[in-house]
Amino acid sequence: EAGVTQFPSHSVIEKGQTVTLRCDPISGHDNLYWYRRVMGKEIKFLLHFVKESKQDESGMPNNRFLAERTGGTYSTLKVQPAELEDSGVYFCASTRWQMNTEAFFGQGTRLTVV
Amino acid sequence: QKEVEQNSGPLSVPEGAIASLNCTYSDRVSQSFFWYRQYSGKSPELIMSIYSNGDKEDGRFTAQLNKASQYVSLLIRDSQPSDSATYLCAVFNTDKLIFGTGTRLQVFP
Repeated sequence: EAGVTQFPSHSVIEKGQTVTLRCDPISGHDNLYWYRRVMGKEIKFLLHFVKESKQDESGMPNNRFLAERTGGTYSTLKVQPAELEDSGVYFCASTRWQMNTEAFFGQGTRLTVV
Repeated sequence: QKEVEQNSGPLSVPEGAIASLNCTYSDRVSQSFFWYRQYSGKSPELIMSIYSNGDKEDGRFTAQLNKASQYVSLLIRDSQPSDSATYLCAVFNTDKLIFGTGTRLQVFP
């Protein structure tokens, strides 16, 4: 069984540009989560999809961030326009049930905004 | 006050020793607790989950939970250099995991 896959693994963009991160969850996992780790800080929740619906997006920093999950399969997280403080590692995780059971994380996308 | 607090370390222990990692949480109603291990540049990997007070053992790992004190710990027996990693404490809250900053463990030969 393939794990959670994220693409790209690294991205370096200039301030003001747009970046789109992609996450492919484990097949059959209805729950998909985005998290972010800024250097020196804890991993922080961004949002939660159940299938194609946004269940909780309380962690999204501002309206420069847009997440979608087309057809309840893969998800994208777009940052437009990117700012310096958006730099960090963006993790995706998926679970079959809620996250109080085992959650599988992808390897993350390291985003650097210069 | 942070929701989940951990000492960032590094915690250095010799090979073969017991490593003790600690975590406190602020939300009294939390019911599910997890320890993740993260190697540098890799994804967090679940190593232990615990839901009720007391100890839970799995191989060289023992998780301990004390809900009255809002305290979770992870003991690693017979520590190996391959255990060197960052250990993340996570608490399930409503519908998501809340993470601590992690404790970096270094096991030296």
